[in-house]
Amino acid sequence: QVQLVESGGGVVQPGRSLRLSCAASGFTFNSYTMHWFRQPPGKGLEWVAVILYDGSNKYYADSVKGRFTISRDNSKNMLYVQMNSLRAEDTAVYYCARDRGIFGVVPECFDIWGQGTMVTVSS
Amino acid sequence: SYELTQPPSVSESPGQTARITCFGDKLGDKYASWYHQKPGQSPVLVIYQNTKRPSGIPERFSGSNSGNTATLTISGVQGMDEADYYCQAWDSSSAHVIFGGGTKLTVL
Repeated sequence: QVQLVESGGGVVQPGRSLRLSCAASGFTFNSYTMHWFRQPPGKGLEWVAVILYDGSNKYYADSVKGRFTISRDNSKNMLYVQMNSLRAEDTAVYYCARDRGIFGVVPECFDIWGQGTMVTVSS
Repeated sequence: SYELTQPPSVSESPGQTARITCFGDKLGDKYASWYHQKPGQSPVLVIYQNTKRPSGIPERFSGSNSGNTATLTISGVQGMDEADYYCQAWDSSSAHVIFGGGTKLTVL
């Protein structure tokens, strides 16, 4: 079935780095734009970054621009986010999600979500 | 930066109609989407392109978007509909996905 599975979360000290992965299955991964989102404990959803289906364009939330890098490997059906210079305020559950439109160049909405992986930034 | 504003909470009795609003400048010029999220679970898309329901979403969920306000309407609300609801849009001027702050729906 259509599925996204995140991994790579954990506890990390401020200023350190972490890479999250998202494994896609059950659909043609290279046809879909993909996103990362996060949700701090007890708070609302926050968009982190998007990468178009072919990797040609990437956009970032202001809060992570310059520190996070989104990437994908269409040959492995994998999505990644490299998170550098982590801060306490980056503590959240991180979700990957699929954009609904096939070969979409304008992000629209997100129809498949992973189960999330928790990132805790603390000394 | 573009913002979407939702009421923090909405309460309704079972069987009644619950309406959750989302306000943004000229929101009607954009596509609005809605998600629900139950505690400990991932978000679920319930409305996209203002009015469309994904496969598997009950007909009691409907949406509208005009002017500055998008509205999610749940007709004949049930206890299972208790959740946090988020509106969302794409802001092309900033190239950012925008979420509202979320509305907690309580079915009394």
